[in-house]
Amino acid sequence: GENVEQHPSTLSVQEGDSAVIKCTYSDSASNYFPWYKQELGKGPQLIIDIRSNVGEKKDQRIAVTLNKTAKHFSLHITETQPEDSAVYFCAAIGAGGTSYGKLTFGQGTILTVHP
Amino acid sequence: EAGVTQFPSHSVIEKGQTVTLRCDPISGHDNLYWYRRVMGKEIKFLLHFVKESKQDESGMPNNRFLAERTGGTYSTLKVQPAELEDSGVYFCASSPFTLLLMNTEAFFGQGTRLTVV
Repeated sequence: GENVEQHPSTLSVQEGDSAVIKCTYSDSASNYFPWYKQELGKGPQLIIDIRSNVGEKKDQRIAVTLNKTAKHFSLHITETQPEDSAVYFCAAIGAGGTSYGKLTFGQGTILTVHP
Repeated sequence: EAGVTQFPSHSVIEKGQTVTLRCDPISGHDNLYWYRRVMGKEIKFLLHFVKESKQDESGMPNNRFLAERTGGTYSTLKVQPAELEDSGVYFCASSPFTLLLMNTEAFFGQGTRLTVV
């Protein structure tokens, strides 16, 4: 089945800096890669996603890049703000085998943005 | 529009007891998922309902876990009897269509934090 590895596990940046979180996946047939932000006491919330037919997607300060050949995708947050502090999860949707149609998550990254 | 809601938000029970978690998906969402995050680890898939039918329950840890979705609306996840390793945060999510389709996303509830002591 699908396996998703996420790094780093913790990330600390100063306000205004950029933050990058990277994930790799194992199933070359996976075709949907969402990123979730989880704030304290809340459930994961989708912040951006990318399908396998594009290489990059941007939404204001957030961007995601996908390299299908290398099987990795990354989340980029620019001009970070304290309210960006949260746990971020990457995920992949399996397209075959035991991972078919379900989200496989990475281990999560605790992002802390210092004012 | 109400989002995915889960009850209770926290539950502390003793080993051997029974706990039932409830999830109310977004109205009209046929697809309902249960996930679990054990302390510090990744969020893991438990099972997937399409309406009232179990589409995939390959992630259920063992037969102490029973999920139901009577009438295809809300869902319950019962743990009986609970063990220490069942502690974690249980998330429910719903989506209108299968996640394999374009322009479909999963909406998560706030989770139920289960502590077995």
